[in-house]
Amino acid sequence: AQSVTQPDIHITVSEGASLELRCNYSYGATPYLFWYVQSPGQGLQLLLKYFSGDTLVQGIKGFEAEFKRSQSSFNLRKPSVHWSDAAEYFCAVGPYFGNEKLTFGTGTRLTIIP
Amino acid sequence: EPEVTQTPSHQVTQMGQEVILRCVPISNHLYFYWYRQILGQKVEFLVSFYNNEISEKSEIFDDQFSVERPDGSNFTLKIRSTKLEDSAMYFCAGRDNNYGYTFGSGTRLTVV
Repeated sequence: AQSVTQPDIHITVSEGASLELRCNYSYGATPYLFWYVQSPGQGLQLLLKYFSGDTLVQGIKGFEAEFKRSQSSFNLRKPSVHWSDAAEYFCAVGPYFGNEKLTFGTGTRLTIIP
Repeated sequence: EPEVTQTPSHQVTQMGQEVILRCVPISNHLYFYWYRQILGQKVEFLVSFYNNEISEKSEIFDDQFSVERPDGSNFTLKIRSTKLEDSAMYFCAGRDNNYGYTFGSGTRLTVV
């Protein structure tokens, strides 16, 4: 069964610093991978997705992610964070043969300090 | 940009009561989903719906839950007899042919 692990529950970063959020997946085929962001009390907004092709994917709000098959990883990066990036970030994988669902990781809460 | 609309944004209900959560998906989406997120926890899959029938459901989606697309536009989740542990944020989502999943902003259900 497909699964996603986000090893970091909470990360604190200074404004202007670089950011990397980790995501590891378990999947039986070439994965479809997603990163979503959730601001407090809000819904899930898609940052970026990877299906195939170039392993470095650009998303909205200056985020990018790199797919590394050898490491089963899809880490999210941003070169310089802004206070408005404080939110919960979820990595997701799916769909898989015969089912159409997304499977989410447990999320990483990002705090930005001045 | 097209949106998935969910109503109400917040609902408080007494334990044992029935609730219906409503969603208006994006018109060209073919697959529809309900997810839930208990406060502080991960987003969990409940059910997927395609071609007017359930295509997959999780263990959470027991006999107390049902989904409908009664008029070709609205997509509803009904909980027949709510329990305290049903308190969560419920998200509706739709998927297009390019595996673009769009989520609504959610309904916060509080069971008291």
